[in-house]
Amino acid sequence: EVQLVESGGGLVQPGGSLRLSCAASGFTFSSYDMHWVRQATGKGLEWVSAIGTAGDTYYPGSVKGRFTISRENAKNSLYLQMNSLRAGDTAVYYCARASGPQGGGMDVWGQGTTVTVSS
Amino acid sequence: SYELTQPPSVSVSPGQTARITCSGDALPKQYAYWYQQKPGQAPVLVIYKDSERPSGIPERFSGSSSGTTVTLTISGVQAEDEADYYCQSADSSGTYKFGGGTKLTVL
Repeated sequence: EVQLVESGGGLVQPGGSLRLSCAASGFTFSSYDMHWVRQATGKGLEWVSAIGTAGDTYYPGSVKGRFTISRENAKNSLYLQMNSLRAGDTAVYYCARASGPQGGGMDVWGQGTTVTVSS
Repeated sequence: SYELTQPPSVSVSPGQTARITCSGDALPKQYAYWYQQKPGQAPVLVIYKDSERPSGIPERFSGSSSGTTVTLTISGVQAEDEADYYCQSADSSGTYKFGGGTKLTVL
């Protein structure tokens, strides 16, 4: 079964850091681009970052310079290092598998991990 | 940066046809993708590359594209289709965007 399982969420103070992990199984992880997408309570989906199979990375302006996406193919794992966290980063964070080459959609999603930034 | 615009809400009666639109300047050049999200659940891809349906998605879900607007059509809406629906696309620089989401209410 194709599966993504996120972990690492929790409560962190403003300005703090957190590292999210996503464990992939049931498919050849190294062959797929991967994404992080977040959703604040009662709000819409927001794309956070993407990483290609060659390790190329992409970010929107809202997190660029604060968040770093990485992958470890030997461990079938995706990561999101989040620094300088703000209240506005509070959300459920999903990892998702890209459905095709760059510019495509996301065909497999995890259940999400919750990040709360608060003092 | 570009935007994808969706209506906040759409309401239909069971058995009727629901159409949810998504507008954006990049859509003539980039494919659109549609996701269904029910409360407390992760999104599910229901349409990819404007009009293709993943395996396991009911045939009543279809997609189309015309100029700067893409449309998700749900024919013969069922109560279980009540959910939030999001369109998504990407630009040529490798950044991705979601529409604001549309809440589909089945009356």
